[in-house]
Amino acid sequence: DIQLTQSPSFLSASVGDRVTLTCRASQDISSYLAWYQQRPGKAPKLLIYAASSLQSGVPSRFSGSGSGTEFTLTISSLQPEDFATYYCQQLNNYPLTFGGGTKVEIK
Amino acid sequence: EVQLVESGGGLVQPGGSLRLSCAVSGFTFSDYYMDWVRQAPGKGLEWVGRIRSKRDGNTTEYAASVKGRFIISRDDSKNSLYLQMNSLKTEDTAVYYCARAPYIGGRCYSGDWGQGTLVTVSS
Repeated sequence: DIQLTQSPSFLSASVGDRVTLTCRASQDISSYLAWYQQRPGKAPKLLIYAASSLQSGVPSRFSGSGSGTEFTLTISSLQPEDFATYYCQQLNNYPLTFGGGTKVEIK
Repeated sequence: EVQLVESGGGLVQPGGSLRLSCAVSGFTFSDYYMDWVRQAPGKGLEWVGRIRSKRDGNTTEYAASVKGRFIISRDDSKNSLYLQMNSLKTEDTAVYYCARAPYIGGRCYSGDWGQGTLVTVSS
């Protein structure tokens, strides 16, 4: 199975900060990677698919990049509603797998 | 508007069975792959399995942790997705989400999610 390692596990940041989250795959997954946002008590929300494509309705401050084994999610200017946990997921091979998540908290 | 509503969660004893349902509306259910994803209390997301569309044979894929115990099925005439869970273990305790997975960017990404239903496995 493909393992996804997210870093950092926890990030403390302020409103307006630029933040970058990383997801590393244990083997080449091409660009078949998604990023999800999950607020407490809510279902996950798809932000980015195919590593860098913005899902419809998602603010443009979110962007994704990478291919192969290393991927990043960048939030250009952190907003209060962005404090949440972010997960990556690989869709290159079955079983599909998620990373362990990065929790973004208010500094 | 796309809607997915899970039901059927509850308390079950270890070794028992439970069937979850996911009722959908707002789209042509038969055209879409569907996923089940779970989240244990205070933990991260875990993909449980997928069922392909009728066009792709309604075939299924499962995580190793549930393979042989869980069965995903669908009834396109009822716009419903199911997760039959057998031989339940305490580690299956989680919120279970169903998700619609449209084909975008070369793969079927889980784009729309239900609110989840809690399954507790305990004696």
